[in-house]
This record gives sequence, structure tokens and C-alpha cells, in this order.
Amino acid sequence: DTAVSQTPKYLVTQMGNDKSIKCEQNLGHDTMYWYKQDSKKFLKIMFSYNNKELIINETVPNRFSPKSPDKAHLNLHINSLELGDSAVYFCASSSVGLSTDTQYFGPGTRLTVL
Amino acid sequence: QQPVQSPQAVILREGEDAVINCSSSKALYSVHWYRQKHGEAPVFLMILLKGGEQKGHDKISASFNEKKQQSSLYLTASQLSYSGTYFCGTVKAAGNKLTFGGGTRVLVKP
Repeated sequence: DTAVSQTPKYLVTQMGNDKSIKCEQNLGHDTMYWYKQDSKKFLKIMFSYNNKELIINETVPNRFSPKSPDKAHLNLHINSLELGDSAVYFCASSSVGLSTDTQYFGPGTRLTVL
Repeated sequence: QQPVQSPQAVILREGEDAVINCSSSKALYSVHWYRQKHGEAPVFLMILLKGGEQKGHDKISASFNEKKQQSSLYLTASQLSYSGTYFCGTVKAAGNKLTFGGGTRVLVKP
């Protein structure tokens, strides 16, 4: 039983296309996150949702739009993909979103924009 | 502000010890340590709260010096399985956003 799952695992697409990444957690957690890890392994938070409500929205281009249909799911839609969007995107979840919570990461989605 | 980790990389022989440091210029509420193996997701190791506590996970332990806003991760008697990139993540007081350092690559050789 996978705790945090993401689909797809790999995504190769052309510049200008629109794509979505899906994330699901079966841990019963209230808070979910999206992180971007670039080619230098720098891991940076993008968004966080607590019980379907957006609570962290970092300086991310408007082309990125998260959507949380319920607290077990957090999807990431990216419009007009650019070369610089190539990275590994990790979804994570934590119990209630407190600073003392452990975050559990999904396996990642490697996005390559050509 | 991203915490600063040092060193950026370290190569060890099995059984050797190493220390990874994580420093912040901001007041911190907690420090989290994660390890990421190549091609995999980051995996939680431990959380340290302000108060200067020290924690352990197998032969990996960590300390948090609240006054210096610095945490150190100690790899003791390293094993091959310790290889990977170690990230510290910091949370500012009253915040809930985890900001990760640039990572420290650890390679343990036989």
C-alpha cells in the first residue's frame, strides 16, 4: 500500500503544452504539498493545502495551478510549459500541517520539457 | 531564506564518522532532516525542536543549537546504506513552511 502516490512517474512533453500531475495520499492526512526539485537537487516548496484550502502559495508563475478536490488528492496543472519547468515534482503530505509534522513524500514525477 | 548546509559533499569509508551542518540566519522553531537516495523520494529521519535537544535514529543523531540557529547531523560508524543526499529543512518560529537547504551528498565506500 503506497502512502503517497503520484502519476505519471515520467512526463515528456513539448514546450507550450499543458499537462497535469496527480497526487493521492491514503494516510488520512489533512495537509498536502507540492515541491519542485531542480537539476541541482534544490528542493523548493510551491504550494500547500490544508483540508482543501490553499495555505502556502510561493512565488510560482501563474501557469502553475494546484487543485485539491478533497483532502486526499492534490493535483498540479501546468499551462504553456517552458524549458525551465523541467524538474522532478514531489507531492508530500503531513498530518495537520504543523511545524512539528513529518512530511511523507511521493515517488516524484520527472517532467522533461523539450 | 534558505538554510546553508556544509559540507556540500563528503566521501567516507565504511565505519568512519561525519558531521553535516545546517545554519540559518533566521530564528527557527524546528529543524527537520531528510535523506534522499538517487532517483528516490526524500525520506524523513528526524525532527528537532528548539530547546537544544539531541535525537538519534540508528547510528545517526542530530542536535539543534537554538541560540546559534544551527543544527548538526552526526553519521557514526557509517554504513554503505548511509549514502545519499541529506537535506535539512527549517521552520521559522510560528510558521509551517519547510525550507530546505541545498543538500549534502554523502558517499560511503567499502
